Amino acid sequence: GQQVMQIPQYQHVQEGEDFTTYCNSSTTLSNIQWYKQRPGGHPVFLIQLVKSGEVKKQKRLTFQFGEAKKNSSLHITATQTTDVGTYFCVGNDYKLSFGAGTTVTVRA
Amino acid sequence: DTEVTQTPKHLVMGMTNKKSLKCEQHMGHRAMYWYKQKAKKPPELMFVYSYEKLSINESVPSRFSPECPNSSLLNLHLHALQPEDSALYLCASSLDRITEAFFGQGTRLTVV
Repeated sequence: GQQVMQIPQYQHVQEGEDFTTYCNSSTTLSNIQWYKQRPGGHPVFLIQLVKSGEVKKQKRLTFQFGEAKKNSSLHITATQTTDVGTYFCVGNDYKLSFGAGTTVTVRA
Repeated sequence: DTEVTQTPKHLVMGMTNKKSLKCEQHMGHRAMYWYKQKAKKPPELMFVYSYEKLSINESVPSRFSPECPNSSLLNLHLHALQPEDSALYLCASSLDRITEAFFGQGTRLTVV
């Protein structure tokens, strides 16, 4: 079955710095979704990517879907304390299977 | 209304108890999901309902029994649970099985 690997597992970032988290699938994905879960909260949908090579931006967040539709990345610029949380990629194989997540902490 | 409502928010139950978790949405979503999440782990899919029919059961033990009485409601019946079943139980819904999912706040379950 499909497996979605996500790296790094933890990301400690200085406030104001940029970072990227990566998602890799063993199979071609029909689409990929990204969710954010704040500490003590529930997953909240961020974006869905469908097309090969697609790039979408949400303010300081840039999401990319690979040309082969097997990988994706989330890049955050000028990290703020509000970015704290765990970011999950979800390879949509009609089951919404979550990757392991990247947990982000921010040093002020 | 873009909410998924889960009740109760917290539940403590003994290993011989029977309890139920409830999930409700009024967004007209036809896919509904149950997830189990342990601390510092990703949500782990348990069940998927599509058009009120169970379409996926991820080899979940029979002490967890899902039910979808109508298109707005999803229940999870619990019986003879073990302490290791203590976790956050999340319900989600989506318009169909390829669109964005909305999650409820979850039920934090403790089995004693």
